Amino acid sequence: DVVMTQTPVSLSLAIGQPASISCKSSQSLLGTSGKTFLNWILQRPGQSPKRLIYQVSKLYSEVPDRFSGSGSETEFTLKISRVEAEDLGVYYCWQGTHFPRTFGGGTKLELK
Amino acid sequence: EVQLVESGGGLVQPGRSLKLSCAASGFTFSNYGMAWVCQAPTKGLEWVASISTGGGNTYYRDSVKGRFTISRDNAKNTLYLQMDSLRSEDTATYYCARREYYSGDFDYWGQGVMVTVSS
Repeated sequence: DVVMTQTPVSLSLAIGQPASISCKSSQSLLGTSGKTFLNWILQRPGQSPKRLIYQVSKLYSEVPDRFSGSGSETEFTLKISRVEAEDLGVYYCWQGTHFPRTFGGGTKLELK
Repeated sequence: EVQLVESGGGLVQPGRSLKLSCAASGFTFSNYGMAWVCQAPTKGLEWVASISTGGGNTYYRDSVKGRFTISRDNAKNTLYLQMDSLRSEDTATYYCARREYYSGDFDYWGQGVMVTVSS
């Protein structure tokens, strides 16, 4: 199974500060289609997960452009240029290239 | 508006069965792969199973193979998870999720349904 390792486990930041979350996979996530199925989701407290970014760096239309994703093969990063109150929650990376699908352990973003 | 609404959860004894349903609306259900993802209390997310658009292809995590069955009824716009021989470690909130073909992402998630396996 592909192991997804997220760091840090938690982040405590003030509004307006930048955030960076790392996600590393134990195998390359580049698929035979040439696409890399590395996705990011956010689970706010008491809610179900919500989509953020797909294929490493593609933002959904409703996601603010202060979010960005980057990386390739086995190393990926989610960045928030300036944290806002609505950004708190747990961020997960997950891979859709290989079965079984696997998730990172999550990064909890708290507001200072 | 895309909606996924799970039902069928509850308290069940070890070794017994439970069947979850996920009612889909707001999109052409038969055009999308679907999946179940679970989350044990205070833990992270874990993929359980996936099914193709027509239901002909199914995939499972090892720990549920032979015990869980994912299926769908495209006429009823409903996804199912038949859970047999339940164990205490199956206790979790179960989410259904839609898989978008081109992005490869689970782009919509239901609100989740709780399954508690305990005597």
